[in-house]
Amino acid sequence: AQSVTQLGSHVSVSEGALVLLRCNYSSSVPPYLFWYVQYPNQGLQLLLKYTSAATLVKGINGFEAEFKKSETSFHLTKPSAHMSDAAEYFCAVSHPSGGYQKVTFGTGTKLQVIP
Amino acid sequence: DGGITQSPKYLFRKEGQNVTLSCEQNLNHDAMYWYRQDPGQGLRLIYYSQIVNDFQKGDIAEGYSVSREKKESFPLTVTSAQKNPTAFYLCASKRTDSSGANVLTFGAGSRLTVL
Repeated sequence: AQSVTQLGSHVSVSEGALVLLRCNYSSSVPPYLFWYVQYPNQGLQLLLKYTSAATLVKGINGFEAEFKKSETSFHLTKPSAHMSDAAEYFCAVSHPSGGYQKVTFGTGTKLQVIP
Repeated sequence: DGGITQSPKYLFRKEGQNVTLSCEQNLNHDAMYWYRQDPGQGLRLIYYSQIVNDFQKGDIAEGYSVSREKKESFPLTVTSAQKNPTAFYLCASKRTDSSGANVLTFGAGSRLTVL
């Protein structure tokens, strides 16, 4: 079975400060890992994905994430928070396999950016 | 621009009524999904369809039904058998990228409230 755990349902940072959103995964095989962002009353948008090509993955809007197998983690970071980063962020995992790949989502982390 | 259109954006229903949520995509994707989102619970899979005229139950299919008569369309019916239907419903379609990962594209969602 696969799962992801997002530590902290709410995170607050000051504008210009480092953003760190935590995600730990559980998977019996090397997984695919994703971060999605959701703005209020909108659908989810892909920020970045890890598919084993490189452990440090860069995404849109200045976000990046590092896959650490030894820690089973895939934390999302951004060096300097902007007000526009306020949203809910979801970590997700799936398995590389043929046919249907179930995507399992975490419970989400709401990011608040304080001026 | 290609994308997924969900309608209506907001819907109110009286208890005992069935309602149908529309999902249309022009991305030419084979696979489509319906998720339910509740605060603090992340996204839970209701139904998915990998090809036309075929669909499978997800983790919380009870009280819901779907059809897939056309590639572009995957409507979801919330029946009176669904005991707690008030939620935000998200439709998605899937593409498989060059690494084999399934990447989901989401619609903007439909918010259903039962009065």
